[in-house]
Amino acid sequence: QTVVTQEPSFSVSPGGTITLTCGLSSGSVSISHYPNWYQQTPGQAPRTLIYSTNTRSSGVPDRFSGSILGKKAALTITGAQADDECDYYCALYMGSGIWVFGGGTKLTVL
Amino acid sequence: EVQLVESGGGLVQPGGSLKLSCAASGFTFSGSAMHWVRQASGKGLEWVGRIRNKANSYATAFAASLKGRLTISRDDSKNTAYLQMDSLKTDDTAVYYCARFDETLRVFDVWGLGTRVTVSS
Repeated sequence: QTVVTQEPSFSVSPGGTITLTCGLSSGSVSISHYPNWYQQTPGQAPRTLIYSTNTRSSGVPDRFSGSILGKKAALTITGAQADDECDYYCALYMGSGIWVFGGGTKLTVL
Repeated sequence: EVQLVESGGGLVQPGGSLKLSCAASGFTFSGSAMHWVRQASGKGLEWVGRIRNKANSYATAFAASLKGRLTISRDDSKNTAYLQMDSLKTDDTAVYYCARFDETLRVFDVWGLGTRVTVSS
């Protein structure tokens, strides 16, 4: 079974830029996986950030951007702020109606 | 206001069954695909399954690891989706979210607040 991989944790300084990635245990991520990115604060429901690789959801600031970098999907946060500190999940479409979430990245801003 | 409200969670014994509900409001539920996602405490999100709309024959799909124990259904007259889980295991303990899925944009664009299921003796 294909596993979706994410960095377990990452740190960034306030005002800094960081790129989180989303890969596959076997193969490359492409636009055909329709990469989605979600943000989640503990105890809260996920919030949609990015879909179809690079489209920002309504109300999401342009500090957040999505792309394909090499063999992975990527979420880049520029000008990191304190309230960006939370968990980030990617989701990939595997075909036949099946979606798989990555294990999530815990982002620390310090 | 577009809203999803899950209910039906609680404590259930291993081997038991549970049926969760997801009540929708503020949008055309009958035209929407609905998905279920769960999250064990301190763990990541796990896609559970989905049901499409009538135009797509109410087609369902399930996570491979859960297939055979799940039934997803919907009642468009009640604007409600359901997730039935059988043969429950302690590993099924989680918060269960329902989410609206936009099949054109390929995004889970509306999420409920979740309902907690605890499987324990």
